[in-house]
Amino acid sequence: KQEVTQIPAALSVPEGENLVLNCSFTDSAIYNLQWFRQDPGKGLTSLLLIQSSQREQTSGRLNASLDKSSGRSTLYIAASQPGDSATYLCAVRRYNNDMRFGAGTRLTVKP
Amino acid sequence: DAMVIQNPRYQVTQFGKPVTLSCSQTLNHNVMYWYQQKSSQAPKLLFHYYDKDFNNEADTPDNFQSRRPNTSFCFLDIRSPGLGDAAMYLCATSGWGTYEQYFGPGTRLTVT
Repeated sequence: KQEVTQIPAALSVPEGENLVLNCSFTDSAIYNLQWFRQDPGKGLTSLLLIQSSQREQTSGRLNASLDKSSGRSTLYIAASQPGDSATYLCAVRRYNNDMRFGAGTRLTVKP
Repeated sequence: DAMVIQNPRYQVTQFGKPVTLSCSQTLNHNVMYWYQQKSSQAPKLLFHYYDKDFNNEADTPDNFQSRRPNTSFCFLDIRSPGLGDAAMYLCATSGWGTYEQYFGPGTRLTVT
């Protein structure tokens, strides 16, 4: 069974700092990995999708990497802003359409 | 804009009174998912449809059922809601190729 873990559970940083969020998974036979943002009481917004054949994806200040063999992905946020404050979740899709989420990292960026 | 729509956004039901949540999509995606998310927890997959094929998670209670009458719509039926079923219910879709997931805004269910 696929298990997805996100570390740290919570993170507080001053504005302008670069930061890394971690996601690990136990079964490397994945189809893709997706990073989401969730604001309190809201649905999930897709940030980046990495296919199993890819090593990284970039969008603006966000960069996500994938190392399938070691079961790890990182989300790098450059020059953090207070508006980046949210919970960040990673989700792993297997070839049978099974989707597993991590519990998320709650990020606070202080002005 | 193509999107995933969930209705209602907020639903209050009484203990034991059946309730139906709905999800529709304009993305023409072949896969639709229902998740349950409780406070500060990961979304938990309840079931998904791959086209018309229904796939139930092994630990999804029998109290939860789903229907997908066509490509665009999917319903979540809770036959006898208990207090422990109060949660945010999220619908998502994904389609051929990348299978990137797109989420609706969610329905917040309260059970009184």
